[in-house]
Amino acid sequence: GAVVSQHPSRVICKSGTSVKIECRSLDFQATTMFWYRQFPKQSLMLMATSNEGSKATYEQGVEKDKFLINHASLTLSTLTVTSAHPEDSSFYICSAHPGTYNEQFFGPGTRLTVL
Amino acid sequence: EDQVTQSPEALRLQEGESSSLNCSYTVSGLRGLFWYRQDPGKGPEFLFTLYSAGEEKEKERLKATLTKKESFLHITAPKPEDSATYLCAVQGISSGSARQLTFGSGTQLTVLP
Repeated sequence: GAVVSQHPSRVICKSGTSVKIECRSLDFQATTMFWYRQFPKQSLMLMATSNEGSKATYEQGVEKDKFLINHASLTLSTLTVTSAHPEDSSFYICSAHPGTYNEQFFGPGTRLTVL
Repeated sequence: EDQVTQSPEALRLQEGESSSLNCSYTVSGLRGLFWYRQDPGKGPEFLFTLYSAGEEKEKERLKATLTKKESFLHITAPKPEDSATYLCAVQGISSGSARQLTFGSGTQLTVLP
C-alpha cells in the first residue's frame, strides 16, 4: 500500500517551453500533496504544499507563477514548470499524505533537464 | 524554526561492520521523526516513524531510536544492498494541519563487500 507514482520519470526540453509533471496516489486518497526539489548531493527542499480543491501554498522564494500547481482530485496533483530555463534543471519529487497517518509517501521523482 | 542536522555526511563500512547514523533536531513540539532511505535517482522510501523519547523500531538490520534531542539509526551487520542515502526528517507542531516535513542533509552510506 501507499504507492505514489510520477510521470514522466525523465524529461528533456528546450529553454522557454513548459513542462507538466503528474503525481498520483495509486491506492489511497491524498488530501495533501507536497512538491520538492532536489539538487545533486543535496537534501529535499520543499517547494509547495498542495491541497485538493484549493490553492497551493508556496515556500518562501518559490515563484508561484513559474511553478504552477493544480490538485484537481484526491489522487492527482500536477506541477507545471512554465518557461523553463537551464537553472530549473533538477530532480522534482512529490509526496502524498494519506491523512490518517503522519507519514508522507514519495513518488520516484522526475529528472528535468532544460537545454 | 525546525532544524535537523545529520552526521556523518558520508560513511563507508565493510560488510558486517555495524555502526550508527545520527540525527540531531530542534523543534518546537515534535509530532514525529521520520527516517527514509533514498537510492540514487529515486524518491525516498519510508522506513520508520518515531513519536516519543525512548521509542525504538526495528526492520531487518535497521533499528531506530529516539531521545528528546536526537535519533540514531543503528545498522547491524550491514550488507552492500544497504548502501544508500539515509534521510531524517521532523514534523513539528509549527507545521500545522499541512504536516510539512523538515529534512536533514542525509548520510550517504556505502557498504563494501
